[in-house]
Amino acid sequence: GEDVEQSLFLSVREGDSSVINCTYTDSSSTYLYWYKQEPGAGLQLLTYIFSNMDMKQDQRLTVLLNKKDKHLSLRIADTQTGDSAIYFCAESKAGNMLTFGGGTRLMVKP
Amino acid sequence: EAEVAQSPRYKITEKSQAVAFWCDPISGHATLYWYRQILGQGPELLVQFQDESVVDDSQLPKDRFSAERLKGVDSTLKIQPAELGDSAMYLCASRSSYEQYFGPGTRLTVT
Repeated sequence: GEDVEQSLFLSVREGDSSVINCTYTDSSSTYLYWYKQEPGAGLQLLTYIFSNMDMKQDQRLTVLLNKKDKHLSLRIADTQTGDSAIYFCAESKAGNMLTFGGGTRLMVKP
Repeated sequence: EAEVAQSPRYKITEKSQAVAFWCDPISGHATLYWYRQILGQGPELLVQFQDESVVDDSQLPKDRFSAERLKGVDSTLKIQPAELGDSAMYLCASRSSYEQYFGPGTRLTVT
């Protein structure tokens, strides 16, 4: 079945760039997403990329997709303390139900 | 900005009791999802609606869980009887095109 994997934890200093990585197994995935979850809250859609794209940039966020290796990454430029949260990678077919990874906890140190 | 509404935000119940959660999706969104998120894990789909019809409930434990969306707008998820293992965050989401928007969730604690 489908599987999405992420590293558990990332720590960076304020002002540095953060790179969160994700791998997935389902080659028929058409959309890949990044969500942010703060403590006790729901999930906030950050960005998504269609599988025929290699890169998408949105302000401080850059998504890179290597479809051959089934590898997705999220780069956050100039990371701020407010970026501290859990980040989830998810995949879907045609934007339908989402299959999530286990989440990466990002800690930003002042 | 339109948001997905959920209530209650928190619920504590004793095992074997019944519990219900409510979700109001963003206006005009025909597709609605219920996900369950166990602490420390990513959300997992329980049920998907298209308007008032169930599209996918393959992961819904039907012996104790039920979901409905009678008029194709708001939705209710029920658990009866609740078990200790049901303690989790229950998230509702609605979809527009390729974007899914989540509500704040209901944190359920079963004692």
